[in-house]
Amino acid sequence: EAGVTQFPSHSVIEKGQTVTLRCDPISGHDNLYWYRRVMGKEIKFLLHFVKESKQDESGMPNNRFLAERTGGTYSTLKVQPAELEDSGVYFCASSQAFGLAGYNEQFFGPGTRLTVL
Amino acid sequence: AQKVTQAQTEISVVEKEDVTLDCVYETRDTTYYLFWYKQPPSGELVFLIRRNSFDEQNEISGRYSWNFQKSTSSFNFTITASQVVDSAVYFCALTSGSARQLTFGSGTQLTVLP
Repeated sequence: EAGVTQFPSHSVIEKGQTVTLRCDPISGHDNLYWYRRVMGKEIKFLLHFVKESKQDESGMPNNRFLAERTGGTYSTLKVQPAELEDSGVYFCASSQAFGLAGYNEQFFGPGTRLTVL
Repeated sequence: AQKVTQAQTEISVVEKEDVTLDCVYETRDTTYYLFWYKQPPSGELVFLIRRNSFDEQNEISGRYSWNFQKSTSSFNFTITASQVVDSAVYFCALTSGSARQLTFGSGTQLTVLP
């Protein structure tokens, strides 16, 4: 079974440009998360989808970030316009629907390293 | 509010030494889950273990063991007889209450020298 995949693996753009990151979760996983690690600091939560609905977007830094998950499958995260402080590694994770167990492990993708010059 | 502290930024050991990675957490919820993830040089985050707040039993998996102590709010990770392949960044994480997202510590870079 394929794991979580992310594209591209690396992206280098100039300040003011637009970048779109893509995440394909594990097939059948209803939950999809975006996280970001900036400059060697802790990994921080951005938002959480349940199927195509945004369950929690409290971690989105500002309105330059737009996430979508059309059809409840893959997700995109667009940064427009990009700023220097947006540089970091963007991780996507997915997990199965929550059941009686209360929590299911999140499986992470390899991340997209974004560099804004 | 939730918080995870990994005070050790970097640790370097020689192969076959034992090493313990510390993790201290904060949460006001009585139900919570703790995790350890490994990030090897290839970049992906690899799930290692999950522990819920009602299960304080320590766990051993091969050379890995975890010590969960609610009294000190700690969830420490020990690697016995370390190997070069254990070199990675290790993250401790927490989720609690109705939150579904993970709160991560800042990670500990472990380097195992041959």
